[in-house]
Amino acid sequence: KAGVTQTPRYLIKTRGQQVTLSCSPISGHRSVSWYQQTPGQGLQFLFEYFSETQRNKGNFPGRFSGRQFSNSRSEMNVSTLELGDSALYLCASSSGLAGGPGTQYFGPGTRLLVL
Amino acid sequence: AQSVTQLGSHVSVSEGALVLLRCNYSSSVPPYLFWYVQYPNQGLQLLLKYTTGATLVKGINGFEAEFKKSETSFHLTKPSAHMSDAAEYFCAVSPKAAGNKLTFGGGTRVLVKP
Repeated sequence: KAGVTQTPRYLIKTRGQQVTLSCSPISGHRSVSWYQQTPGQGLQFLFEYFSETQRNKGNFPGRFSGRQFSNSRSEMNVSTLELGDSALYLCASSSGLAGGPGTQYFGPGTRLLVL
Repeated sequence: AQSVTQLGSHVSVSEGALVLLRCNYSSSVPPYLFWYVQYPNQGLQLLLKYTTGATLVKGINGFEAEFKKSETSFHLTKPSAHMSDAAEYFCAVSPKAAGNKLTFGGGTRVLVKP
């Protein structure tokens, strides 16, 4: 099976702009989660989507949003970018089924630099 | 709220020596527990996880971890370090409720000396 893919891999934006990141999960997986990784704050959970519905949400401002399509592909959007949004954004997919924690498979990430 | 503490942000071991990475969690109810590894410029890879049952869990690449409820710990060990073990390791927890929401520790970077 192909792994989790994220596009683009690298991105440079300026403050005030918005950005959209994309994640394609492993075939058959219905859950997609997003994480932000920074040197200062470490790995932080953004949100999880399951079957096109947001199932869990972390403590991030409303500028961070996401959605999931019927084919389970997910996008994450950040509006009005700030310098502090510079980070590695990781996407993870899992089957999302009940009965225990499914293994989350992570993509390689999108590295966002805000200037 | 759950939290995860990893003791030591950097650990240096000699090739062939024991690798021991410490993880303690704070949670009113024992959560699910995970160890992930991250190599440079890559995403995270699951090493092992504890859900229920046997408290000693074996993972990939010769790693294992033991869940100790009384100590709220989930330390990761490998008997003999290999150069390829140089990476950053993250302990994580998730609540025993529906959904995937991992809370990560701060990470431990492992350096393996020849």
